[in-house]
Order: sequence, then structure tokens, then C-alpha cells
Amino acid sequence: ETGVTQTPRHLVMGMTNKKSLKCEQHLGHNAMYWYKQSAKKPLELMFVYNFKEQTENNSVPSRFSPECPNSSHLFLHLHTLQPEDSALYLCASSQDSSTNEKLFFGSGTQLSVL
Amino acid sequence: DAKTTQPNSMESNEEEPVHLPCNHSTISGTDYIHWYRQLPSQGPEYVIHGLTSNVNNRMASLAIAEDRKSSTLILHRATLRDAAVYYCILRKDYGQNFVFGPGTRLSVLP
Repeated sequence: ETGVTQTPRHLVMGMTNKKSLKCEQHLGHNAMYWYKQSAKKPLELMFVYNFKEQTENNSVPSRFSPECPNSSHLFLHLHTLQPEDSALYLCASSQDSSTNEKLFFGSGTQLSVL
Repeated sequence: DAKTTQPNSMESNEEEPVHLPCNHSTISGTDYIHWYRQLPSQGPEYVIHGLTSNVNNRMASLAIAEDRKSSTLILHRATLRDAAVYYCILRKDYGQNFVFGPGTRLSVLP
């Protein structure tokens, strides 16, 4: 148990669906992250939030829309995805993204787009 | 950004020490060396990090070369549970984002 919980663990969606991934951290951290891990590729950073403000958008397509209503919760809203978006989506948190603090990851949501 | 180079895969026998190498010949003075590992079906987890001196914790030891152009993660006694992908990452002190490479896939044989 890392203190970072992601739901759902698995998600199958069609290309016209709208769905959301949820991440919650119970560590009192102020920074939250979304990473994407495609099969046989390294983890790719998507978004960073620090104290609820987005500080990084790594050229992510607009069909991925993050939301950080407070420091404990992070959402990734999905709309009109493509099959190549199928991947493991990982959420992480740290004390503060502007300092050299370690990351704590959730177990991820395995997304399949049909 | 300075990059790291790791072997794609390594094998070890259970209960033997494992030395996982990482080359970072373009490291700068402000780069910390971080190690994470990713067990099957899980997100990555922190293992250890250091700047110049060797570091020890309950999970592993980190040996850093004197010129800092390479480092070695040492698992003193591998268990089957240590089978994972190990990532060596450089990160500056002022909160540069973690950039994960392909890592080293460690297999532990019983």
C-alpha cells in the first residue's frame, strides 16, 4: 500500500465514450502527476500539478483532460480516445514538485480502447 | 538533459548479491542519482538516491563512482520478490521532472 489509490484498476471503452480515471492520495502531498506507460515503452510524463496548479503539460492531446480539485485528488477525463491510447495510466504524488522529493505511485489503471 | 544507460536485462540467482549498473557520463554537478523499481502489475516504487557519497538503506545500497559518471545499485541478497524493472534516473535538486528510461529487467532464478 503506497498511499496512492487509483480507480478503476481496469477500463475498457469505445472510441466514442467519455470516462474518467480517479486518483487519491492519503500522504498529505501537494504535487500529483499523471504518467502513461504503453506496452514496451518507458513511462511518459503527461501532466503535473503542484498545489492544485498545473505546472506541466507534456504536449498531451486535448482528448486527455486533467482535473485537480484539491491536493488529494486528481482526475483524468477521457474523450474520443484512439486505440493507440490503450496503456497503463499511472498516478503519482510527491511532497512538492519543485523540490527533490521522491514519487509515490499508484498501481495504475489499465485502459483498453476498442 | 543528462541521460542514463542501463543493460536491458540481467539475471541473478536467489540469495546472491546483484549489482545493477548505470552509466551517466554527461551527469552534471547538480544531478542526483535516483533508483526506482517496478514490480509486475504495479507502479514504480522508490529504492534509493544519492549525490556523491555511497548510500545504504533497508532495500539496497547505492555505490557512486568517484567521477560520478556511473553508479551501481546493489541488492545484497536477491529474493524472488526483487524481480522487477529497475530504473536509474538523474534529477536536479530543484525539482526537475523524473524522466524514466527503459530500465533493466531483473530476473531472479530460484
